[in-house]
Amino acid sequence: GEDVEQSLFLSVREGDSSVINCTYTDSSSTYLYWYKQEPGAGLQLLTYIFSNMDMKQDQRLTVLLNKKDKHLSLRIADTQTGDSAIYFCAVAGNNRKLIWGLGTSLAVNP
Amino acid sequence: SAVISQKPSRDICQRGTSLTIQCQVDSQVTMMFWYRQQPGQSLTLIATANQGSEATYESGFVIDKFPISRPNLTFSTLTVSNMSPEDSSIYLCSVDGGGDYEQYFGPGTRLTVT
Repeated sequence: GEDVEQSLFLSVREGDSSVINCTYTDSSSTYLYWYKQEPGAGLQLLTYIFSNMDMKQDQRLTVLLNKKDKHLSLRIADTQTGDSAIYFCAVAGNNRKLIWGLGTSLAVNP
Repeated sequence: SAVISQKPSRDICQRGTSLTIQCQVDSQVTMMFWYRQQPGQSLTLIATANQGSEATYESGFVIDKFPISRPNLTFSTLTVSNMSPEDSSIYLCSVDGGGDYEQYFGPGTRLTVT
């Protein structure tokens, strides 16, 4: 079946850039999402990208998609302590059903 | 964007009982989904709630255990039946905005079964 993989942990210093990586197996994935989950809180949609795009930028967030390698990344520029959270990669085909990674726990150190 | 509310936000239930979780959206949406997030885990799709017809369940989930209602385009319920401690989880409702391809989530219902 479809699978989405992420590294489980990432630690960065405040002010540095964070890069969170994700790989997926289903080549028919059309919509690719990044969600943020803070402790005890719900899921916040950060950004998404379509499979016909290579890059999407939104303020401090940059999403890169390598469709050939089925690799998605989320770059957070000037990472702040408030960015500490779990970041989930999720992909969906035309049926819109999301397949989720296990999440990357980002720790930002002052 | 859609604003989604869920009730209850949390509950502690006894083994063998049932709990119904409500999901309300502030606008009409075509697709609504129910997910489960077990402690420290990612999300697993339980079913797609279809308006006016039976829900579509994912592998491993059955209607007798997780009956779902979708009476209109802004509301759905998920019942967790005959609960066991293994059902302790966060249950999340999500909606698909349709045209804008964004999927939004409710705040979740944290269920503990003792």
